[in-house]
Amino acid sequence: AQKITQTQPGMFVQEKEAVTLDCTYDTSDPSYGLFWYKQPSSGEMIFLIYQGSYDQQNATEGRYSLNFQKARKSANLVISASQLGDSAMYFCAMSGKGAQKLVFGQGTRLTINP
Amino acid sequence: DGGITQSPKYLFRKEGQNVTLSCEQNLNHDAMYWYRQDPGQGLRLIYYSQIVNDFQKGDIAEGYSVSREKKESFPLTVTSAQKNPTAFYLCASSISGTGTDTQYFGPGTRLTVL
Repeated sequence: AQKITQTQPGMFVQEKEAVTLDCTYDTSDPSYGLFWYKQPSSGEMIFLIYQGSYDQQNATEGRYSLNFQKARKSANLVISASQLGDSAMYFCAMSGKGAQKLVFGQGTRLTINP
Repeated sequence: DGGITQSPKYLFRKEGQNVTLSCEQNLNHDAMYWYRQDPGQGLRLIYYSQIVNDFQKGDIAEGYSVSREKKESFPLTVTSAQKNPTAFYLCASSISGTGTDTQYFGPGTRLTVL
């Protein structure tokens, strides 16, 4: 069975600082995908970034990058130059090839302080 | 604009009533999903559909029903058999539902049982 663990219930960061949100995963599938979503207070889940298990390079999307360490089974999200609008819940999720669902972690609430 | 719409945004139900949540997408995606989110939790899969006229149960399907008569639409009915239906419901879609496809979410429906 697949499992996602996010060990940081809450994070507080000063505006313009970089922040790393932790995510570890467990799966026996050789092929899988790792996703990060942002959930602001409005509730919508916003897709941020994707990393495939066979991707050689870490994924990047603008200010977001995914620090993928396959041997350690970790997929941490790094947000550079944080902004007030980054305050939200962040969820790490994974899916395996042939699996039709995303398995979500419990989430990390990120608060950016001015 | 392409996207996923859900209606209504807020829904109130009396005990013993069935209610139907709407989900429509114009992304031409084959696969659609319904998730449930409880306060402070990640998402759990209720039902998914990879193709018209076919759908499968997820992890928490009891008390719910779905239909997929059109590619664009995947309504969810919360029946009176669902013991604790108060939650936030999110609909998602992906290109093909093969597991590592990115799932995109709608804005959600918040259901409250009175």
